[in-house]
Order: sequence, then C-alpha cells, then structure tokens
Amino acid sequence: ETGVTQTPRHLVMGMTNKKSLKCEQHLGHNAMYWYKQSAKKPLELMFVYNFKEQTENNSVPSRFSPECPNSSHLFLHLHTLQPEDSALYLCASSQDRGVWEKLFFGSGTQLSVL
Amino acid sequence: AQTVTQSQPEMSVQEAETVTLSCTYDTSESNYYLFWYKQPPSRQMILVIRQEAYKQQNATENRFSVNFQKAAKSFSLKISDSQLGDTAMYFCAFMNRDDKIIFGKGTRLHILP
Repeated sequence: ETGVTQTPRHLVMGMTNKKSLKCEQHLGHNAMYWYKQSAKKPLELMFVYNFKEQTENNSVPSRFSPECPNSSHLFLHLHTLQPEDSALYLCASSQDRGVWEKLFFGSGTQLSVL
Repeated sequence: AQTVTQSQPEMSVQEAETVTLSCTYDTSESNYYLFWYKQPPSRQMILVIRQEAYKQQNATENRFSVNFQKAAKSFSLKISDSQLGDTAMYFCAFMNRDDKIIFGKGTRLHILP
C-alpha cells in the first residue's frame, strides 16, 4: 500500500450520467495529481493541485471537473463523457510540487463509458 | 518536444535471470531527472529507481540498477536475479526543470517460473 486510496475501483457509466472519482492520501502530502492511462498510450497528466490550489490543467475537456477541498482529498467529477474517455484514472500525491518529488500512486479507477 | 521511447512492448524471462529494459529520450536540456516506475497487476504504480542527469554514477536499488548514457540519451533498467513479483508493466519517465513529467508507453515484463 502506498497510502493513496482511490474509489471506486471500477465504474461503468452511460454518456449522460454524472459520477465522481475519489482519491484520498494519508501521507501528509501537499500536492495531488490526476493521470489518465489509456491502452497503448503514455500516461497523461490531467490536473495538478498544490496546497489545494489548481496549478496545472493540461487542456482537459470541461466534462472533467476536478475538486480539491483539502490537501488530503481529490475528486474528479465526470459529466457527459464520451466512449473515448474510457481509461484507467490514476491519482497520485507527492510531498511537494518539486522536480525531485517521488510520486505515490493509488490503484486507479477503471472507467468504462458506454 | 521531449519524448520518451520504450522500444520493447513486451518481454519474458525465466526466474533468476537478468533482464534489461531499454528507454531512450529526447531533450535539449542539460539537467533533468529520469525515473523507472513499476505497475504490477494491482495497478498501483511504484517508483523503482531515479537518476539525476548531472550525476554520472548510475543509480542502484538492491536488484535494480540503471545504465545511464547521457550522450546517447539512454536510460536502461537492469533487473538482476529476477523474481516472480517483478512481473509488471515498467514505465520510463523523464522530468524537466519545469516539473513536467513525461512517461513512455511501457514495457510489459513477464517473469516465468
């Protein structure tokens, strides 16, 4: 266990549904991240939060809406997704947002959009 | 643009053998950071080893070591005395001074009993 917990582990949703992914870290870290892992593609960074403030949005469509109420919790709200959004969504945290920081990952949410 | 290439999509080796996973990258920067992450079937990515580009000495973590060739922009991972628990996807990653981390597509490694 890396100290980063993601729920749910699996999620199937229709294109008109609204759902949320949850990430919680018990490591006292200040930075949290959302990554998208699609089959046969490199891991893609989606969002970065540092001390609860969003510091990075890598041109992610607005149908993905992140929320970071405190340094321990990170959500990804999903609305009107497309089938191509089906992927493994990984949450990660690090002590701080620095170049040498080690990332701690959760086990991900495997999302299927029908 | 900075890129990371892992040319071996999949590999299989016998338990206790040594295996080397290749990684090349492209950058015009002189100082950066390189990582190898492991993703077992549990899906939880774990840092295996990391290397700072300005350090010439190759990093080592127990059975894991790297061969860092800066001029060739190569960063291979060597796993010695491979174990069944080493079965996983291995991702090479590059991070520049702007904190942008770029991952390769991964190599799926099977350790056979």
